[in-house]
Amino acid sequence: EDKVVQSPLSLVVHEGDTVTLNCSYEVTNFRSLLWYKQEKKAPTFLFMLTSSGIEKKSGRLSSILDKKELFSILNITATQTGDSAIYLCAVATINDYKLSFGAGTTVTVRA
Amino acid sequence: GAGVSQTPSNKVTEKGKYVELRCDPISGHTALYWYRQSLGQGPEFLIYFQGTGAADDSGLPNDRFFAVRPEGSVSTLKIQRTERGDSAVYLCASSSGTGQWTGELFFGEGSRLTVL
Repeated sequence: EDKVVQSPLSLVVHEGDTVTLNCSYEVTNFRSLLWYKQEKKAPTFLFMLTSSGIEKKSGRLSSILDKKELFSILNITATQTGDSAIYLCAVATINDYKLSFGAGTTVTVRA
Repeated sequence: GAGVSQTPSNKVTEKGKYVELRCDPISGHTALYWYRQSLGQGPEFLIYFQGTGAADDSGLPNDRFFAVRPEGSVSTLKIQRTERGDSAVYLCASSSGTGQWTGELFFGEGSRLTVL
């Protein structure tokens, strides 16, 4: 059974801080790892990572994948209150389109 | 519509009743997914449609759960003889289903089901 573990479960930071979220996985026939942001109800797509060592970047968010050690990190620099959300990590397998999600990390950014 | 639309947004029912949850995907998206999210957990896969057919229903927890997509667009998730453990947010997502898979699913706001 596919396993996706995120840490920490939650964290509270102040505006301007940098946060690092972790995602480790155990999956057969790995295809991709994905990050989603869930602010209230609907998760929204952030990144898809397929290759090791190649950083994906979007504004203040960046992510990288290590396929040897089976983990990914998501970094958020210069955090803003609008970054407060649940960050979900998911994996997809080859020949399969369903995603297996972790439990998420709740990030709270205080002004 | 512009995004994935789900109705109802909230449903309260009594144990043993039948419920239907509706999903209207983004126009032109052939792939449609249902997920279930319990409090403090990530979304859990239920079923995936490609067009009208259920390509993968391996996530449906038991035979009380059934989903249809008769014309390849709107989908309905049906739950018979509801139990308190069915209480959760039911999320629908769609994606283009053609071309290179990007991993980007477009989620609706969900239907929160509460079984008393």
